[in-house]
Amino acid sequence: NAGVTQTPKFRILKIGQSMTLQCTQDMNHNYMYWYRQDPGMGLKLIYYSVGAGITDKGEVPNGYNVSRSTTEDFPLRLELAAPSQTSVYFCASSYLTGTGSSPLHFGNGTRLTVT
Amino acid sequence: DAKTTQPPSMDCAEGRAANLPCNHSTISGNEYVYWYRQIHSQGPQYIIHGLKNNETNEMASLIITEDRKSSTLILPHATLRDTAVYYCIVGLRGGSQGNLIFGKGTKLSVKP
Repeated sequence: NAGVTQTPKFRILKIGQSMTLQCTQDMNHNYMYWYRQDPGMGLKLIYYSVGAGITDKGEVPNGYNVSRSTTEDFPLRLELAAPSQTSVYFCASSYLTGTGSSPLHFGNGTRLTVT
Repeated sequence: DAKTTQPPSMDCAEGRAANLPCNHSTISGNEYVYWYRQIHSQGPQYIIHGLKNNETNEMASLIITEDRKSSTLILPHATLRDTAVYYCIVGLRGGSQGNLIFGKGTKLSVKP
């Protein structure tokens, strides 16, 4: 199993450009998440999904969009990039069992700079 | 706001036990204590979790006080590769884990 795979690893955007951060998992997890981590800070939840076709906002959703057309993929879209979106973005997944959720499995992140 | 309080940094000698404390005085009866760690520039990695009993796995041990207001993560024989930021988090085990709040954690430096 590859686990959670994120692409690209690095990206530099100009203000106003758009891009999609890709995330795919091969563990058949039903839950998927997007977090951002600013330098020296913890992680903040942007969006999450409890299954294909279902998404919901996290703590900091403004400026982002997501979709979940398949169990495996959970892309994050930035429509009009702003310097405040310079951050490291982590995708994660987990599954719900009869007694609760599994721990979170994280990808290795996408480092985004907006100038 | 984070529900836990951790020291911002700690040092540990290689080969010694690393004991990382965490206070969670407002923990609810059905909330678990989770520990994750983040090695520089990588995604966080799950270590261990517990409700009220002490837990041990191949990575670490988790000691939770009887009143559940604090806990300690123990790495029995720290190595240089254990240098990382360690996050103590409380949250519900059912449903989405996205409600887990990752604060600033404790930066553990293991020194030779």
